[in-house]
Amino acid sequence: DTGVSQDPRHKITKRGQNVTFRCDPISEHNRLYWYRQTLGQGPEFLTYFQNEAQLEKSRLLSDRFSAERPKGSFSTLEIQRTEQGDSAMYLCASSLGDSNNEKLFFGSGTQLSVL
Amino acid sequence: AQSVSQHNHHVILSEAASLELGCNYSYGGTVNLFWYVQYPGQHLQLLLKYFSGDPLVKGIKGFEAEFIKSKFSFNLRKPSVQWSDTAEYFCAVTPYNTDKLIFGTGTRLQVFP
Repeated sequence: DTGVSQDPRHKITKRGQNVTFRCDPISEHNRLYWYRQTLGQGPEFLTYFQNEAQLEKSRLLSDRFSAERPKGSFSTLEIQRTEQGDSAMYLCASSLGDSNNEKLFFGSGTQLSVL
Repeated sequence: AQSVSQHNHHVILSEAASLELGCNYSYGGTVNLFWYVQYPGQHLQLLLKYFSGDPLVKGIKGFEAEFIKSKFSFNLRKPSVQWSDTAEYFCAVTPYNTDKLIFGTGTRLQVFP
């Protein structure tokens, strides 16, 4: 499968623990996006990278959230001191190109449950 | 606040019925418009998009959408739905001066044979 892959598919953690998710975009896609989706809502933008540069972060992204994309390939999203409100599906997407009308290719997501 | 509204949260249709899903956005400037679909157990995928030119755009699987600038709308249509169209449909907007895709809350479509 040469699509966007995310790992793990599911993560259950206790409140206060740190978690890290990984996203592998489609090879050679220069843009990578992180979204969060809760039940009954559409995906909410969190942050995006163009190559290794993080160009925009949502105000939704508190100081407990950090994302990296070293070398402009895979990306990680870390949540520190998780809270129950962090429970959601975390989606990664990638695209090729520099315009804002490019098609996004989404992964299947990481479902986070914070107990 | 800037937003994307999908007024139909859940639509139930019989096969061969016509479909129209509403989408309105509140951004005043130029926008790019998208419809994404998520079939059961699958990831989100692009159905169609509009960024310039003919306001009536055609997408995959017989879907089309019409951009009406004066109404800030981008409604999705299909003349005759199939059982396989059962999915969740998301309207999304990229304002011209940003690179982030902003989604509506989605419409769940169920088609019965």
